[in-house]
Amino acid sequence: DVKVTQSSRYLVKRTGEKVFLECVQDMDHENMFWYRQDPGLGLRLIYFSYDVKMKEKGDIPEGYSVSREKKERFSLILESASTNQTSMYLCASSITLGSGANVLTFGAGSRLTVL
Amino acid sequence: QKEVEQNSGPLSVPEGAIASLNCTYSDRGSQSFFWYRQYSGKSPELIMSIYSNGDKEDGRFTAQLNKASQYVSLLIRDSQPSDSATYLCAVKRGGYQKVTFGTGTKLQVIP
Repeated sequence: DVKVTQSSRYLVKRTGEKVFLECVQDMDHENMFWYRQDPGLGLRLIYFSYDVKMKEKGDIPEGYSVSREKKERFSLILESASTNQTSMYLCASSITLGSGANVLTFGAGSRLTVL
Repeated sequence: QKEVEQNSGPLSVPEGAIASLNCTYSDRGSQSFFWYRQYSGKSPELIMSIYSNGDKEDGRFTAQLNKASQYVSLLIRDSQPSDSATYLCAVKRGGYQKVTFGTGTKLQVIP
């Protein structure tokens, strides 16, 4: 019954590496989001997408990019990982209209450690 | 000023008591309001959504919205130890898909 799947639960990378975090949803949702969650800072929005190939910056986009080539898949890319990007990354999706509109369904999260 | 503010807690209540969780927001264009529950090590899950001023009840949970005061609250009646979690307030502006979260309030229900 898994609806939002994040490809990696735990990752360890080195400073300067390029990192890909993948997220797939099977609910035909238009909107997809990437958040990071840090103690004391809560969930902060990195990027979101409301349609294929469309993306909008969230509150903390610096150091990140995203890709949405297919409706069900939203990728987060760290071009050159840094230690301050060590965090829990949460992917979410939602629909725009109808019952349950704007309710976020989250994936299990990807815990990234950058050494 | 943070867009969405919550007291981080922990808020400790005895089993069977009412837990009251509060949230304020700064954007007057906000139209949709959500409470999510997050257990330790797990992802957030929706408890309640509210869109109009007033109260909305769902079982032991009641969400309250006051747009004039830019205030949202969540009441949990007959609190149970299983309610111990972090509660996240989230806000969405009308016509825009961005959802902004508060930092969350940690609730501890003492048996």
